[in-house]
Amino acid sequence: EIVLTQSPGTLSLSPGERATLSCRASQSISSNYLAWYQQKPGQAPRLLIYDASSRATGIPDRFSGSGSATDFTLTISRLEPEDFAVYYCQQYGRSSPGAFGQGTKVEIK
Amino acid sequence: EVQLVQSGAEVKKPGESLKISCKASGYTFSSHWIGWVRQMPEKGLEWVGIIYPGDSDTRYSPSLQGQVTISADKSISTAYLQWRSLKASDTAMYYCARGLRGHTPPPFDDWGQGTLVTVSS
Repeated sequence: EIVLTQSPGTLSLSPGERATLSCRASQSISSNYLAWYQQKPGQAPRLLIYDASSRATGIPDRFSGSGSATDFTLTISRLEPEDFAVYYCQQYGRSSPGAFGQGTKVEIK
Repeated sequence: EVQLVQSGAEVKKPGESLKISCKASGYTFSSHWIGWVRQMPEKGLEWVGIIYPGDSDTRYSPSLQGQVTISADKSISTAYLQWRSLKASDTAMYYCARGLRGHTPPPFDDWGQGTLVTVSS
C-alpha cells in the first residue's frame, strides 16, 4: 500500500508570495500518476494537476506540478487571495489506487 | 457542461441501510469512470471506490471493501453508493466525482456537491 505524506501541514504566506508544497510517496508511483486538488471550505475539491505536471482544464498557469517516482511538488508562483485553501495530492497508479495525502493548508500570514 | 448532482443529506440510525445517488449529465456516462470520495468531519479526503458504467467494472478501497457497494444505472446516468448496515463511523460527507478519461484508475476532474450522511442514535 502506497502512503502519501504531505508537507508542511500548514503554510503561512502573504498574497504575491510563492508557495511550494511537497508530497512524498512511500513507494515509487507508476507513470507519475499523481494529481493535486484544491479544496476551499464548504466546497468540493477541484482538480489542479494530473500526471504530476499536466494542468487540468481552466487552471491558471501560476499552478505548476513537478517531480517523479516518490517526490512531487506543487508550486503556486504568486499567491492570489483565492488560492488560500487546503491542497491534497492523490496517486492513482495500480498499487493502492486513489490514496490521498493528508493535505496542506495554505493560510494567509 | 458536465454536472454531477447528488441526493440530499441523510440522517440515519446505526444498523439502518442507505443508498445515495449521483446523477450525471453533460457527457457520455458510460465512457468515464465515476467514483466516490469520503470526507469525515474536519478530516481529509479518502478514496472509497470507482465504477465504470460501460461494463460495471468496480473497484474498492481495501479498507472499505465489504462495507459499501457501488453501482450504476446507465439508463438514467446515475451512480449509487449504498450501505446495508450503517455505523456511527460512516458519518461523513460523500462526494461523487467523474474520472478523467484515459486513466484507469483515474484522477477526478468533475465533482458533485456532496451528500452529508449523519449516523446517530
